[in-house]
Amino acid sequence: KNEVEQSPQNLTAQEGEFITINCSYSVGISALHWLQQHPGGGIVSLFMLSSGKKKHGRLIATINIQEKHSSLHITASHPRDSAVYICAVSLQETSGSRLTFGEGTQLTVNP
Amino acid sequence: DSGVTQTPKHLITATGQRVTLRCSPRSGDLSVYWYQQSLDQGLQFLIQYYNGEERAKGNILERFSAQQFPDLHSELNLSSLELGDSALYFCASSVLAGFNNEQFFGPGTRLTVL
Repeated sequence: KNEVEQSPQNLTAQEGEFITINCSYSVGISALHWLQQHPGGGIVSLFMLSSGKKKHGRLIATINIQEKHSSLHITASHPRDSAVYICAVSLQETSGSRLTFGEGTQLTVNP
Repeated sequence: DSGVTQTPKHLITATGQRVTLRCSPRSGDLSVYWYQQSLDQGLQFLIQYYNGEERAKGNILERFSAQQFPDLHSELNLSSLELGDSALYFCASSVLAGFNNEQFFGPGTRLTVL
């Protein structure tokens, strides 16, 4: 079993819909990251969380440390949001701050 | 633009060859990370350097090595290349080496081994 699990693996939405991507982890973490990877391959860091909730524009990320669960929400989705969204964690027991990644969620937003 | 640069963008080579991938971190960042993204393994951590010294090691093969130079740029050397080494190689940087440092990713180097 992977230490970081994401769901769903694939998600198709219509423009304007509210989207939720989930991430569960099975080990102690120091921080959780949400990343976005566009078709060209580049990776952009969206959020880094260790507790609570963060908001940036139409994106909201939440984390529940007790339940070992995080969600990424996109409000009023747009075709330009189409990308792979990756959850990654910094594990407590590792040295340094290397990331362990989920498999990603492929999001397609249709106009 | 994250401020992290990687060269080359694309690299095509043959099995058995050796290549060097280069990464320049964001100005002021002391820590550099290397990650590999392949179709079958997904994203995996390879190695981390902080201010010139190796800080953490992941699933890095013995055929691979890396270093961080005094000007903080880093190089990842891949030798005796195999078909399975074909992947996207990302470099990321952060200010410090601790757990709660946001990492900024470079555009990646796409390596194709024929």
